[in-house]
Amino acid sequence: DAKTTQPPSMDCAEGRAANLPCNHSTISGNEYVYWYRQIHSQGPQYIIHGLKNNETNEMASLIITEDRKSSTLILPHATLRDTAVYYCIALNSGGSNYKLTFGKGTLLTVNP
Amino acid sequence: SQTIHQWPATLVQPVGSPLSLECTVEGTSNPNLYWYRQAAGRGLQLLFYSVGIGQISSEVPQNLSASRPQDRQFILSSKKLLLSDSGFYLCAWRSILAARYEQYFGPGTRLTVT
Repeated sequence: DAKTTQPPSMDCAEGRAANLPCNHSTISGNEYVYWYRQIHSQGPQYIIHGLKNNETNEMASLIITEDRKSSTLILPHATLRDTAVYYCIALNSGGSNYKLTFGKGTLLTVNP
Repeated sequence: SQTIHQWPATLVQPVGSPLSLECTVEGTSNPNLYWYRQAAGRGLQLLFYSVGIGQISSEVPQNLSASRPQDRQFILSSKKLLLSDSGFYLCAWRSILAARYEQYFGPGTRLTVT
């Protein structure tokens, strides 16, 4: 699985868009980009994933660059409840491995 | 909609005592089920996963075991707890129709072994 790099922390004002970057320059063609978050003392929460097209769901949008070397998770209107550690992971879609592993992620703090 | 339950939420157990953590999923059939552990200051560690009743795969050899007696029930057990078993235990499920790593986690059980 490709290594991902994220800034350790970011701040965002409540009601504004939060744009969380992720670099995955060594990603291979069959690796998907997944985003999870973990609010303090809670279980991780799946947000979104994508391969090469931009994706949107009720939680967020995922923008993947054309060369797939980086991506951005966008929370369009951040709320205080979005304060969490956000994890970007690049994972191979094949094989028998189901194991999720998180790196250090980005601590997003949404300020009032 | 689907819901995942874990209990208890917190647990304090002495070294050498047994353990039983239960996880149940509602609103789906034949899910893949997972037990993870997240130790303080460390990452997520997959302990067991199951693709069906009675089918358990172990990722890390240790004094823990898992069982899946019913389609939507997953149990994590130990006969004798060690201090190193302390941590945040998370159960997760995945629909067989969903992407491989689209997993949904329960609220977790925080275990302290004293």
